[in-house]
Amino acid sequence: QEQLQQWGAGLLKPSETLSLTCAVYGGSFSTYYWNWIRQSPGKGLEWIGEINHSGSTNYNPSLKSRVTISVDTSKNQFSLKLSSVTAADTAVYYCARGGLVVAAGYNWFDPWGQGTLVTVSS
Amino acid sequence: EIVMTQSPATLSVSPGERATLSCRASQSVSNNLAWYQQKPGQAPRLLIYGASTRATDIPARFSGSGSGTEFTLTINSLQSEDFAVYYCQQYNNWLFTFGPGTKVDIK
Repeated sequence: QEQLQQWGAGLLKPSETLSLTCAVYGGSFSTYYWNWIRQSPGKGLEWIGEINHSGSTNYNPSLKSRVTISVDTSKNQFSLKLSSVTAADTAVYYCARGGLVVAAGYNWFDPWGQGTLVTVSS
Repeated sequence: EIVMTQSPATLSVSPGERATLSCRASQSVSNNLAWYQQKPGQAPRLLIYGASTRATDIPARFSGSGSGTEFTLTINSLQSEDFAVYYCQQYNNWLFTFGPGTKVDIK
């Protein structure tokens, strides 16, 4: 099974852009959708969006105007950018493997990355 | 958006006893429901998918049931490592949503 390792800046100022990357080791990168999920005390677990190896994306409408998820198939990596962050974006951000590219209805998340705490503060 | 609710918010159980956790969806999600366990400082871990199928290496004391809007996670004979927070997640609708969680603590 795949292992996911993520990294990125943990402290941002309001209005800056959050940037995180997740590397996938093992398994088949092209078989699945790759997801970003965040967890904050106020909003619990919130799905941010997903991408497949072809670059096809789906985003949570509540964040869509500020989110960009991209993929680098040469490195089996995918990335998250969230622009114009505020204190409300303070959360632990996770990457996770999602559903199959070729079939709907398998969209549980397993495995997950280790999580990155992102704090937005002036 | 499908809203997921969970009850109770906290469940106090003695080791060796059974815990029964509930999850409700605001509209039918068929059997497209997953359960996760999360311990402090760790990422969620998949326990159940398809409402009732245990994920790889998940002990048989964990079982899931339900369909439509009402789901249950049962943990038989609670072990010390089972005290954690449990979340349900629907994937019937592409806007995937999670419940707020049930904390299972030691009575």
